[in-house]
Amino acid sequence: VLTQSPLSLSVTLGQPASISCKSSQSLAYSDGNTYLNWFQQRPGQSPRRLIYKVSNRDSGVPDRFSGSGSGTDFTLKISRVEADDVGIYYCMQGSYSYTFGQGTRLEIK
Amino acid sequence: EVQLVQSGAEVKKPGESLRISCGGSGYSFTNYWISWVRQMPGQGLEWMGRVGPSDSHSDYSPSFQGHVTMSADKSINTAYLQWNTLKASDSAMYYCARHKTGSPNELFALWGQGTLVTVSS
Repeated sequence: VLTQSPLSLSVTLGQPASISCKSSQSLAYSDGNTYLNWFQQRPGQSPRRLIYKVSNRDSGVPDRFSGSGSGTDFTLKISRVEADDVGIYYCMQGSYSYTFGQGTRLEIK
Repeated sequence: EVQLVQSGAEVKKPGESLRISCGGSGYSFTNYWISWVRQMPGQGLEWMGRVGPSDSHSDYSPSFQGHVTMSADKSINTAYLQWNTLKASDSAMYYCARHKTGSPNELFALWGQGTLVTVSS
């Protein structure tokens, strides 16, 4: 089970944001990888992957986005929130089958 | 261009059957699993299961086992999600996404545009 917090976030433009994702078991897999991804889903769009393997940013993703963590605790940080960041953010684990967190809704204050 | 293209929106009645599709192009279709993800109205993402296009082997989430069938036709690079008996509670957006065993950089990196299924009498 993946538990995200907070479930809702209201952030002033230019301010940082942080989303936590906690797993009920370690996501470190036997091959040495930790299969923890972060996705952004803007209104009316398909999910878009931002981060894979905990901290690797996908091509085209602004460096304002960063991922960190290990074992059971993971974090997505946005250093300076922009209007384009509005949407729902999901963590997902692929170490043991596939599971998504409940999602965190980000809005601009 | 590497892409997954899904079939169009569907409106069905309870009890009817339905098959929706996800076509892959621009890459070797049989080298990747296709997973299906459900998103009910206003809700989060749920992994339903996956199908391997090379042999149509499928694995299902316990929550969906027995209610849907996943298959693939590698001759036309297309994966399918099928219901034999639809319920109103199947109304949702359904996404396909690809991934590759042993390639964490490919894990759900590419998604289809989604297929909206509405089941209503």
